[in-house]
Amino acid sequence: DAGVIQSPRHEVTEMGQEVTLRCKPISGHNSLFWYRQTMMRGLELLIYFNNNVPIDDSGMPEDRFSAKMPNASFSTLKIQPSEPRDSAVYFCASRPDSLSNQPQHFGDGTRLSIL
Amino acid sequence: DAKTTQPNSMESNEEEPVHLPCNHSTISGTDYIHWYRQLPSQGPEYVIHGLTSNVNNRMASLAIAEDRKSSTLILHRATLRDAAVYYCILRGNNAGNMLTFGGGTRLMVKP
Repeated sequence: DAGVIQSPRHEVTEMGQEVTLRCKPISGHNSLFWYRQTMMRGLELLIYFNNNVPIDDSGMPEDRFSAKMPNASFSTLKIQPSEPRDSAVYFCASRPDSLSNQPQHFGDGTRLSIL
Repeated sequence: DAKTTQPNSMESNEEEPVHLPCNHSTISGTDYIHWYRQLPSQGPEYVIHGLTSNVNNRMASLAIAEDRKSSTLILHRATLRDAAVYYCILRGNNAGNMLTFGGGTRLMVKP
């Protein structure tokens, strides 16, 4: 079975550019999570969707960050404009539903470098 | 949110058992104890979870103290591939409760 698929795996771009990260959750999973990981702050939850609806976006750092989930099989995290401090590894995870203790399944991440 | 405390790092020898401790003295009655690990250059991976009773699966065992204020993840025979950061996380049983990752324990396995 395919796991959570993220693209691109690596992105290097100049500050000020728009960056779009993509995620395909595991088929049938109703909950989707975006995380950011840095050496300084560790793994932080940015936003969480259930049934394609954003439930908690309190972790989104600024208005420059936005996330969408237009359907059950696709989500994007967009940064516009990007800044060097946005450099991090961004992970997407999915889970069957929001109620049970089923585990979250993580993708391999997108390593983002803003120059 | 109830928090967990783990040692920053631990070392183990290959093929020996490893006991990774976690303190969670403010755990509530409905909090499940979850363990994830993150191998180098990969996303976190689920290991095991439990509520009150000890749990076993193909990856590890979870021993939970009777008062639930601490738990121990047990790897029965460490291999080099077990070198990772291990996270102990509390998750409530209410809808929408997320996972909050702390610093975890970096496990180093020596050949």
